[in-house]
Amino acid sequence: GDSVTQMEGPVTLSEEAFLTINCTYTATGYPSLFWYVQYPGEGLQLLLKATKADDKGSNKGFEATYRKETTSFHLEKGSVQVSDSAVYFCALSPQGGGYNKLIFGAGTRLAVHP
Amino acid sequence: DTGVSQNPRHKITKRGQNVTFRCDPISEHNRLYWYRQTLGQGPEFLTYFQNEAQLEKSRLLSDRFSAERPKGSFSTLEIQRTEQGDSAMYLCASSLAGAGTGRNTEAFFGQGTRLTVV
Repeated sequence: GDSVTQMEGPVTLSEEAFLTINCTYTATGYPSLFWYVQYPGEGLQLLLKATKADDKGSNKGFEATYRKETTSFHLEKGSVQVSDSAVYFCALSPQGGGYNKLIFGAGTRLAVHP
Repeated sequence: DTGVSQNPRHKITKRGQNVTFRCDPISEHNRLYWYRQTLGQGPEFLTYFQNEAQLEKSRLLSDRFSAERPKGSFSTLEIQRTEQGDSAMYLCASSLAGAGTGRNTEAFFGQGTRLTVV
């Protein structure tokens, strides 16, 4: 079945460091791919998305590119801030499913220190 | 709009008791989803509704679980004869799916109901 694998955390960085959180997926066809973020005490929020191969999603300085050939959707940010500390979830929605169902990875906790 | 609202935020119950959670989606959203999240894991899909119709149920949704959305607005998730393994965060999300109109939104999540079965 469809699945998402993301790097284990926690990831601990100093402010202004470069961030990469790896995400790979297994799915038939062409799923849509997402990164969600969960700040402490808050609900899941959509951070960015890509719906077809080679699309780049971007938001708040974060980027991720849909790579069909490597079945990956790695999250990157050039310079992290303390306020980026949160849990990040990679997710997919199966092909043709619209937003019917999301399959999530286990999440990666990011801690950014001043 | 205040977003997706879930009540209660926390529930502690004894094993064997029944519990019911409520979700109020964003008002114009026609799709509503339930997920379960255990500690250290990502959310797992349980079921979803389009308006009042329940269109898909996960194998995770055992016979003790039932979800309803009677008027296509709010939804309830009931767990009968709770077990300790039911302890988790139950998340609700909603989205707008407008077939033919191109108006599709991503899923917006509530803050969840944390269930503890003792």
